[in-house]
Amino acid sequence: DQQVKQNSPSLSVQEGRISILNCDYTNSMFDYFLWYKKYPAEGPTFLISISSIKDKNEDGRFTVFLNKSAKHLSLHIVPSQPGDSAVYFCAAHAGNNRKLIWGLGTSLAVNP
Amino acid sequence: DSGVTQTPKHLITATGQRVTLRCSPRSGDLSVYWYQQSLDQGLQFLIQYYNGEERAKGNILERFSAQQFPDLHSELNLSSLELGDSALYFCASSVGPGAFYEQYFGPGTRLTVT
Repeated sequence: DQQVKQNSPSLSVQEGRISILNCDYTNSMFDYFLWYKKYPAEGPTFLISISSIKDKNEDGRFTVFLNKSAKHLSLHIVPSQPGDSAVYFCAAHAGNNRKLIWGLGTSLAVNP
Repeated sequence: DSGVTQTPKHLITATGQRVTLRCSPRSGDLSVYWYQQSLDQGLQFLIQYYNGEERAKGNILERFSAQQFPDLHSELNLSSLELGDSALYFCASSVGPGAFYEQYFGPGTRLTVT
């Protein structure tokens, strides 16, 4: 049972345009959401997070939007750069089970 | 460089064998997490230790065990290895006990079971 779903395994975007990566979840008890980025042959690195009490969090070119009623969050990257090409993981936390539940990731390719 | 070190980088072993993966967390971090990433799979959380105590358990097989030592480094022991255990094993660390804290990942250990 995949509680955190990233339905697009891959995404290709032109440099300078917006990249939108989506994540859906099923557990209404999730209270915190995080995005991690992973380059090949490296461990994931934290990108941005959002608490369930907010609907938007912004950090430079990266913005995460949370729609609790739809159980959906999205990561926007504007403008996209070739260095953003990586696998992006969405992860969700529920305080009662003390762990992060991870999606399967979306591979983003930003083309020059 | 995340500050988390993992050894060895690569490990090739035979079915039925036992291996130990080692992780040193970032300086000051008290939590250590272990993850497994198989081919075409996302990150599967295995287990978390906080300041020497087991804090959370995920999909860790009974053949696998872990511990965190007083100096906060951690070891993941995998025994009776099967072909399906071939995967990338990541260690991560964070400053606090909650999984929502930013986790810093090591470069991973690639285990190949033949």
